[in-house]
Amino acid sequence: GQQVMQIPQYQHVQEGEDFTTYCNSSTTLSNIQWYKQRPGGHPVFLIQLVKSGEVKKQKRLTFQFGEAKKNSSLHITATQTTDVGTYFCAGSEFGGYNKLIFGAGTRLAVHP
Amino acid sequence: DTGVSQNPRHKITKRGQNVTFRCDPISEHNRLYWYRQTLGQGPEFLTYFQNEAQLEKSRLLSDRFSAERPKGSFSTLEIQRTEQGDSAMYLCASSLAVGRDSNQPQHFGDGTRLSIL
Repeated sequence: GQQVMQIPQYQHVQEGEDFTTYCNSSTTLSNIQWYKQRPGGHPVFLIQLVKSGEVKKQKRLTFQFGEAKKNSSLHITATQTTDVGTYFCAGSEFGGYNKLIFGAGTRLAVHP
Repeated sequence: DTGVSQNPRHKITKRGQNVTFRCDPISEHNRLYWYRQTLGQGPEFLTYFQNEAQLEKSRLLSDRFSAERPKGSFSTLEIQRTEQGDSAMYLCASSLAVGRDSNQPQHFGDGTRLSIL
């Protein structure tokens, strides 16, 4: 079955440093979504990527979808303490009714 | 938009008991999903509904798990004869979709935390 792998599992940065998390799927995806979960909270939708090679930006966050639609990345520039949380990628296959298969997440800790 | 509501927030029960959780999705959302999340892991897909039809159930889910969405609005997830391994956060999410491959954000509830003694 479809598997989504995410690395690193954990990242500890100083405030102001950059951060990147990577996501790889075992199958070609229809789309990939990114979610953020704060400690004690629920996943909150950040963005969706649909097109091969797509790049989207949200302020300091840059999301990329690979040409083969099997991998994706999230890059945060100049991290802030408000970026703390776990970032999940979630992939959906074609014809899958947007059933999402989540990666294990990357937990980001930011120290001031 | 009142968000996705889940009840109860916490459930503690003895092994072998049955439990039922409820999810009220965002009112106009036609798709409803159930996930299970354990510590340090991402949400694991359990099942989902398009309106009242249950379209898929994870092969990892045993026969002790059943879900319903009788009128295409709220949904219930029941676990029979609970086991220690069932301890987890059970998350519900909903989305508004048009068409089979409609790609829409999923809105999650706060979850029900189940603890099996």
